[in-house]
Amino acid sequence: GEDVEQSLFLSVREGDSSVINCTYTDSSSTYLYWYKQEPGAGLQLLTYIFSNMDMKQDQRLTVLLNKKDKHLSLRIADTQTGDSAIYFCAETGGFKTIFGAGTRLFVKA
Amino acid sequence: EPEVTQTPSHQVTQMGQEVILRCVPISNHLYFYWYRQILGQKVEFLVSFYNNEISEKSEIFDDQFSVERPDGSNFTLKIRSTKLEDSAMYFCASSEGPGQQYEQYFGPGTRLTVT
Repeated sequence: GEDVEQSLFLSVREGDSSVINCTYTDSSSTYLYWYKQEPGAGLQLLTYIFSNMDMKQDQRLTVLLNKKDKHLSLRIADTQTGDSAIYFCAETGGFKTIFGAGTRLFVKA
Repeated sequence: EPEVTQTPSHQVTQMGQEVILRCVPISNHLYFYWYRQILGQKVEFLVSFYNNEISEKSEIFDDQFSVERPDGSNFTLKIRSTKLEDSAMYFCASSEGPGQQYEQYFGPGTRLTVT
């Protein structure tokens, strides 16, 4: 079945770049997403990439997609303490969205 | 900006009781979803709903669960006889079209605690 895998933790210093990685199994996924979840809050869509794209940039966020390896990454430039949260990679197939377990990003001042 | 709302934000119930979680999707959206997140675990798909019927459901969504769109604005998830393992955050989402091509907008979630 479909599965999405992510590393569980990432720690960076304020001002550095963060790179969060994800692998997925469903080659028919049309869209791949990155969601952010702050403590006690809901899911905030950060960005998404269509499967026929290799890269998408949106301000401090860069998404890279390697469709051959089914690998997705999210780069956050100039990481700030406000970026501390859990980041979920997700893919859609049909009516449902499949989420990874989430990567907890710690930003040290 | 339009948003999905959910009530209540926190529900505490005793094992065996019925609960109804409520969601108001974005008004022009046609597809509705429920997800749950057990503390510290993945967000898991439960069910999708379109045109007044279930379009897809996961193995988690057994006979204890049901969904309904009782009027033009609300979308509800009912758990008939709650179990301890139903304790989780439940997220509602809605989209203009099927999930593959349209962004799903998530509500803030309802935290369900079963004691």
